[in-house]
Amino acid sequence: IAGITQAPTSQILAAGRRMTLRCTQDMRHNAMYWYRQDLGLGLRLIHYSNTAGTTGKGEVPDGYSVSRANTDDFPLTLASAVPSQTSVYFCASSDVGGTNSPLHFGNGTRLTVT
Amino acid sequence: GQNIDQPTEMTATEGAIVQINCTYQTSGFNGLFWYQQHAGEAPTFLSYNVLDGLEEKGRFSSFLSRSKGYSYLLLKELQMKDSASYLCAVGDSNYQLIWGAGTKLIIKP
Repeated sequence: IAGITQAPTSQILAAGRRMTLRCTQDMRHNAMYWYRQDLGLGLRLIHYSNTAGTTGKGEVPDGYSVSRANTDDFPLTLASAVPSQTSVYFCASSDVGGTNSPLHFGNGTRLTVT
Repeated sequence: GQNIDQPTEMTATEGAIVQINCTYQTSGFNGLFWYQQHAGEAPTFLSYNVLDGLEEKGRFSSFLSRSKGYSYLLLKELQMKDSASYLCAVGDSNYQLIWGAGTKLIIKP
């Protein structure tokens, strides 16, 4: 089934540890995104990539890094986790970058930093 | 600053009609999206408006007035499975999506 796969589904992480959230899509979409979703707030963009080999910063990029070595994969790394990074993380993709193409979301990773 | 306002929660009866409003103040406008998100699941795309007027898609319709910074999502013939959060998102002048916090819709029998 075509779509976006995120791993892990959930994770409990000690503060100060490094963690990579994985995201893979098989729709050959050009653009990919990482969002975090916190209770009472709208989705907030962390980083994005409009095409393989390029990345950009979103609204809340501090403490996170991404890479886009190929079309399908867009991992998100927390270099040294802090409790404020406890959240649900969604990876998404769209046919093209910008705001004219709907987003397809993965099922999310629920991360708890203790 | 940029802002999207939606009611936090609404309740409606099965079989009825409900209208979920969204008002926005953004730097520029490049499209408005509505997404549905069931509890514990990913958001899924419902509708896209870029021109003023009503877009109808089955039981769901979405309306946009750019001059008023206003949109609504209309759900007809409500079913229990429509219980979910509905997210409004607007593209700004930098072609970034600004998201509302979502409206939790509760459907009662």
